[in-house]
Amino acid sequence: EVQLVESGGGLVQPGGSLRLSCAASGFTFSNYWMHWVRQAPGKGLVWVSRINSDGSSTSYADSVKGRFTISRDNAKNTLYLQMNSLRVEDTAVYYCAKGGATVIDYWGQGTLVTVSS
Amino acid sequence: QSALTQPASVSGSPGQSITISCTGTSSDVGSYNLVSWYQQHPGKAPKLMIYEVSKWPSGVSNRFSGSKSGNTASLTISGLQAEDEADYYCCSYAGSSTFVFGTGTKVTVL
Repeated sequence: EVQLVESGGGLVQPGGSLRLSCAASGFTFSNYWMHWVRQAPGKGLVWVSRINSDGSSTSYADSVKGRFTISRDNAKNTLYLQMNSLRVEDTAVYYCAKGGATVIDYWGQGTLVTVSS
Repeated sequence: QSALTQPASVSGSPGQSITISCTGTSSDVGSYNLVSWYQQHPGKAPKLMIYEVSKWPSGVSNRFSGSKSGNTASLTISGLQAEDEADYYCCSYAGSSTFVFGTGTKVTVL
């Protein structure tokens, strides 16, 4: 059974940093592209970033480019999202998701990030 | 990277069929047959219902079907059931390894 468990969320001040982690199990992690998608409270889904299977290629939404960095450790079956220069509008549940180059097919339960002073 | 446009809400009675539209541009929906649909119940993670416009993932009911014409994709739910009441989001590949989601549609079963 595919399992994706996010951690690392919490309360941070504007301008601060946070690193999210996503522990994967139940599938061969190193074979799949991985994504981060976020959802502000009461709002819709927004794609944030993706990384290919070996970590050599990444992409970002314009809203986070230059501030967020996606990475992975295939030996630890773990996906990361380093978030710097956080803004109030980055407040959201962040979902880790498994997929491919053109589809997102399985989601974790999410971790809440709150940016507030 | 503007969000795809979906109706805010759609409703129907049990047993009826409803259709949710998802309108993008020639840079996303119109350029790729790579539209997927997700169902999200309150407080839960999204679930993939349709991928590549009209394909079903394993375990998803064939009461859900997808189609596309030009810059607009659609999700049809046939034989509406109480458990179908949820939020639905479309998502399209938008080139350069990026994705764009729709604004979301709340489905109410009357």
